[in-house]
Amino acid sequence: AQSVAQPEDQVNVAEGNPLTVKCTYSVSGNPYLFWYVQYPNRGLQFLLKYITGDNLVKGSYGFEAEFNKSQTSFHLKKPSALVSDSALYFCAVRDRSSSNTGKLIFGQGTTLQVKP
Amino acid sequence: GAVVSQHPSRVICKSGTSVKIECRSLDFQATTMFWYRQFPKQSLMLMATSNEGSKATYEQGVEKDKFLINHASLTLSTLTVTSAHPEDSSFYICSALERTETGELFFGEGSRLTVL
Repeated sequence: AQSVAQPEDQVNVAEGNPLTVKCTYSVSGNPYLFWYVQYPNRGLQFLLKYITGDNLVKGSYGFEAEFNKSQTSFHLKKPSALVSDSALYFCAVRDRSSSNTGKLIFGQGTTLQVKP
Repeated sequence: GAVVSQHPSRVICKSGTSVKIECRSLDFQATTMFWYRQFPKQSLMLMATSNEGSKATYEQGVEKDKFLINHASLTLSTLTVTSAHPEDSSFYICSALERTETGELFFGEGSRLTVL
């Protein structure tokens, strides 16, 4: 069965410091991996995705994520956090075999709190 | 990116009434849409997969007669919460699948339902 784990409910970081939001996954085949961000009472906004190719993926708002197949991880990173980055972040996975169905499995979500 | 419009963004209704939420893909055709439910500070729970021109596929534990889904056109899916009760109060989010090689998913802004 497919699953996604975000081990941290909340991550606190000071503005200007680097941030990491962790994600590990479990799928039977090769995955498509995604990160989304959600602001209060809003839908999900796409940040970045890994499909194939370079393991380091760059996305919106200065975020990046590294696909690590051996560790089955896809951690989200940003070199310098902003207060405006404070939000709820979701990692999601989709088995390539289900690419036509589009069904995503979401992690539990991690609240990022960036303090001035 | 593509735009998915969800309406209404907020709705308050009395217990026992029915509420309809619309999800529209504005600049692409979506043969598949998904409906999620989200409780405060929790992840998205997939309720059902909506396929244009056919019956929706519901996830285990989701009542079909309670949450009616209609996908009558390639750009519109509706979720009707029938005979709503306070426990149905939640944040409902739709997403639409754009037919590309990787199957890009785009999310609506969500609908906050409060049942009094």
